[in-house]
Amino acid sequence: GEDVEQSLFLSVREGDSSVINCTYTDSSSTYLYWYKQEPGAGLQLLTYIFSNMDMKQDQRLTVLLNKKDKHLSLRIADTQTGDSAIYFCASFAGTASKLTFGTGTRLQVTL
Amino acid sequence: AAGVIQSPRHLIKEKRETATLKCYPIPRHDTVYWYQQGPGQDPQFLISFYEKMQSDKGSIPDRFSAQQFSDYHSELNMSSLELGDSALYFCASSKRTVTDTQYFGPGTRLTVL
Repeated sequence: GEDVEQSLFLSVREGDSSVINCTYTDSSSTYLYWYKQEPGAGLQLLTYIFSNMDMKQDQRLTVLLNKKDKHLSLRIADTQTGDSAIYFCASFAGTASKLTFGTGTRLQVTL
Repeated sequence: AAGVIQSPRHLIKEKRETATLKCYPIPRHDTVYWYQQGPGQDPQFLISFYEKMQSDKGSIPDRFSAQQFSDYHSELNMSSLELGDSALYFCASSKRTVTDTQYFGPGTRLTVL
């Protein structure tokens, strides 16, 4: 089945950029999503990218997709303490309705 | 903007009891999904419904059942609860289009004692 992997932890200083990486295995993934989860809270949709795009920018967020390597990244510019959370990437293949989530990356923002 | 509503937000049950979780999708969304997130885990897909029919099925135990009603709300019924069922249960909804972007509710935290 589909496998989505992320590094578990990232620590950055406030004001720096954060880059969270994700790799996936299903080449038929049509859309790739980034969700943010704060402690004890739900999953907040941040952004998504279609598989025929290689970059998408949305305010402080930049998503890069390397379809050949099946690698996705989320860059957060000017990271703030409020960005501290777990970030999940998720793939959607379109052949089934489910999202397959990565393991989640805990982002810690220090002062 | 209206979001996905889940009730209850917290639920405490004893082993072998039953539980019913409810989900109210975003208005005009036709698809509902259920996910289970164990402590420190990523969300795992359980089941989905499109236009009141089961659409896809994941790792849902036989002890669990779900349905989508005519008003598009959905209920997840869980019987013979086990300690391992303690988790956050998320409902998501989408409007079936090319993207099928799923919007998640706040989740129901189920604790089985």
